Amino acid sequence: NAGVTQTPKFRVLKTGQSMTLLCAQDMNHEYMYWYRQDPGMGLRLIHYSVGEGTTAKGEVPDGYNVSRLKKQNFLLGLESAAPSQTSVYFCASSFLGTENTGELFFGEGSRLTVL
Amino acid sequence: EDKVVQSPLSLVVHEGDTVTLNCSYEVTNFRSLLWYKQEKKAPTFLFMLTSSGIEKKSGRLSSILDKKELFSILNITATQTGDSAVYLCAVANNAGNMLTFGGGTRLMVKP
Repeated sequence: NAGVTQTPKFRVLKTGQSMTLLCAQDMNHEYMYWYRQDPGMGLRLIHYSVGEGTTAKGEVPDGYNVSRLKKQNFLLGLESAAPSQTSVYFCASSFLGTENTGELFFGEGSRLTVL
Repeated sequence: EDKVVQSPLSLVVHEGDTVTLNCSYEVTNFRSLLWYKQEKKAPTFLFMLTSSGIEKKSGRLSSILDKKELFSILNITATQTGDSAVYLCAVANNAGNMLTFGGGTRLMVKP
């Protein structure tokens, strides 16, 4: 029972490099989300998707791009990494919008360090 | 802008103690308030609350919401070392599909 899987789990980048985080879910969920978690800041929403082929901005979208080409996958891209993007990134999914079920299923996180 | 504030920031107790974690919020068009437990990795869902005064209970954990005073509490009785975690509170509004999270309360339960 895989649930939500994120890859890679750890990555170190140099400033200006690009990378993509992959999130895959096997629960047939419509909604998918990317959050970042920084000490004392809780979880902040970067981008989300309400279905295949759709994306929308969250609270802190600058410096990130996303794509949802397949229902089960949600990719988070950093085109030119900056030290301020050092964080732990969590992907989450839900069957209906959070306004209906309230429950998000989270991946185990990806720790990104930008030097 | 929606806002969620949790207190205390951290808490150290001994096994068997009872703890109360607090969550206050400001949100336009409130829909629900949720509690999550985060141990080393992914947050896991505890409760969703939508109505005032109705206690949700799961084992030694319980939570209640006050929509008039805009806060919720999470109680843990007879704490165990396995309760050590960061507890996150989040609110959902009617406007979209986003949860706004508080900064969390870090609970450490000592043997």
